[in-house]
Amino acid sequence: GIQVEQSPPDLILQEGANSTLRCNFSDSVNNLQWFHQNPWGQLINLFYIPSGTKQNGRLSATTVATERYSLLYISSSQTTDSGVYFCAVPSYSGAGSYQLTFGKGTKLSVIP
Amino acid sequence: DAGITQSPRYKITETGRQVTLMCHQTWSHSYMFWYRQDLGHGLRLIYYSAAADITDKGEVPDGYVVSRSKTENFPLTLESATRSQTSVYFCASSVLTEAYEQYFGPGTRLTVT
Repeated sequence: GIQVEQSPPDLILQEGANSTLRCNFSDSVNNLQWFHQNPWGQLINLFYIPSGTKQNGRLSATTVATERYSLLYISSSQTTDSGVYFCAVPSYSGAGSYQLTFGKGTKLSVIP
Repeated sequence: DAGITQSPRYKITETGRQVTLMCHQTWSHSYMFWYRQDLGHGLRLIYYSAAADITDKGEVPDGYVVSRSKTENFPLTLESATRSQTSVYFCASSVLTEAYEQYFGPGTRLTVT
């Protein structure tokens, strides 16, 4: 099946700093999602970004599908950005359906 | 708009008992999914459903049963709970499959003693 690798696995930032998280995937995809799992465990949709660039406030994401990677940018980080960031891509489940295959995540800690 | 909800949010049960986790979505999405999240394994698909009365196995289906009599509900049953089923369970839904965004419920933390 498709492999999804995220880097770095852990990241500690001072509040106000910027960061870039990376997601590499092993096969071509029609869909890529970024999620934030907050300290309470909830999975929050950040971006649905099969290709191109999207921005939402201090966060932006870029997917280069032809080169099989996606980047998540966090600018002016805040303590509320802490948590684990996952990227996920569809992989074939059989019978014409797909499941999301998740990377192992980047654990971000933003300190005041 | 309630979106996708799960109940209970927390559950403690004993080995051998039957447990049902509920998932309800208000979007009329065709596809629904059950994942479990475990340290070291990330999120893994248990079962999915393409529509009412259509379900299929995912990566880790053993020990679980699902049904989908109505589009909006997708319950997950552990017929005889084991300690290895201690996990956080997430339900998700999407309009269609591959090229469509999945939305996740808040999760159910299950502990089997």
